[in-house]
Amino acid sequence: GEQVEQRPPHLSVREGDSAFITCTYTDPNSYYFFWYKQEPGASLQLLMKVFSSTEINEGQGFTVLLNKKDKRLSLNLTAAHPGDSAAYFCAEGNNYAQGLTFGLGTRVSVFP
Amino acid sequence: DTTVKQNPRYKLARVGKPVNLICSQTMNHDTMYWYQKKPNQAPKLLLFYYDKILNREADTFEKFQSSRPNNSFCSLYIGSAGLEYSAMYLCASSTTGGASEQYFGPGTRLTVL
Repeated sequence: GEQVEQRPPHLSVREGDSAFITCTYTDPNSYYFFWYKQEPGASLQLLMKVFSSTEINEGQGFTVLLNKKDKRLSLNLTAAHPGDSAAYFCAEGNNYAQGLTFGLGTRVSVFP
Repeated sequence: DTTVKQNPRYKLARVGKPVNLICSQTMNHDTMYWYQKKPNQAPKLLLFYYDKILNREADTFEKFQSSRPNNSFCSLYIGSAGLEYSAMYLCASSTTGGASEQYFGPGTRLTVL
């Protein structure tokens, strides 16, 4: 089936540095994209959803870039702080199926 | 309130025994989902309910059953648990449409012995 490849699986960054996570997908029908954050023992929390191509979407402490031509989605945690330590999952959806297809996740650790 | 609740949080089951997991939401979402997540694997959609209509993924069709007695509740049922069912089970809900964000519960960790 269609897949979402997410890299890297683990990321260790110093406080104040950036953390960059990339997902590539294969489904040509993919239209909606999501980033979720999961802290230990907690639920997946939506960070952002995007569906416009080649647009930088800015959130609180992070930016998301979607490039539909390259089928690539990225998340950049700018100036990481300890509260960013969590697992991050990308996911894609389309108009033909209700469920989401997830990446494997990236475990981010921010150290002082 | 955007909370999705799951019960129990941890479940221990014996091989061959049935398992019933419960999910609830109070957001009046018309769609509820069940995902399975195993270590080092991506969450995988098992099935979803749109209103009263159950849709099960083809590769897990015979392994899982579900019921939705009302809009707020949805269960996941395993008739005879096997070791391969040990996983985290995530429930989510949303309004209809691929663009709708899914709200997730904390998950139920099922261990089959």
